[in-house]
Amino acid sequence: QVQLQESGPGLVKPSETLSLTCSVSGGSITDYYWSWIRQPPGKGLEWIAHIYYIGSTNSNPSLKSRVTLSADTSKNQFSLNLSSVTAADTAVYYCGRHTVAQGIHYWGQGTLVTVSS
Amino acid sequence: QSALTQPASVSGSPGQSITISCTGTSSDVGGYNSVSWYQQHPGKAPKLMIYEVTNRPSGVYNRFSGSKSGNTASLTISGLQAEDEADYYCSSYTGTSTWVFGGGTKLTVL
Repeated sequence: QVQLQESGPGLVKPSETLSLTCSVSGGSITDYYWSWIRQPPGKGLEWIAHIYYIGSTNSNPSLKSRVTLSADTSKNQFSLNLSSVTAADTAVYYCGRHTVAQGIHYWGQGTLVTVSS
Repeated sequence: QSALTQPASVSGSPGQSITISCTGTSSDVGGYNSVSWYQQHPGKAPKLMIYEVTNRPSGVYNRFSGSKSGNTASLTISGLQAEDEADYYCSSYTGTSTWVFGGGTKLTVL
């Protein structure tokens, strides 16, 4: 059974960089697409970015300039860095596994990140 | 990349059927058979209910069905049950390795 677990600081200061890691068990990150999705409190879902195998990434155009993705196959983890954060980046951040067409079958439980001084 | 358009809320009585629409453009919903639907209960991660417009993952009841016409996809829930009360989100591939979600629909079971 594939399981995903997000980890990282729950509080980030404005203008700093938000860093999260998604640890994967039950499957290799060298297969499938792996995405980050966020949900501000009381609001809807927003796709942030994905990584497909090593070196192939893409991001939501609205966030592209601030997003960096990376992967560590030795640890079976992938990570998100979101720079220059503001209060608008406060959200529950999820990681998920999917293909191009078949939707996100596996989700992490989500982690709340608050941007505040 | 604009969010797909969904009604903010829908409601129905137990046993009834409801349909939630998801409207995009020819660059996303209309251009690909890559529409997915997710159910989200409060405080929980989303759960995939429909993928590739009409397919149900293993374990999802056949009361849930999906369809698409032009730039609009739809999720129909028949035989509505109390446990179906949740938020529902559609999503579509938009080409060039990007995806977009709808704004979400709150389903109330009366």
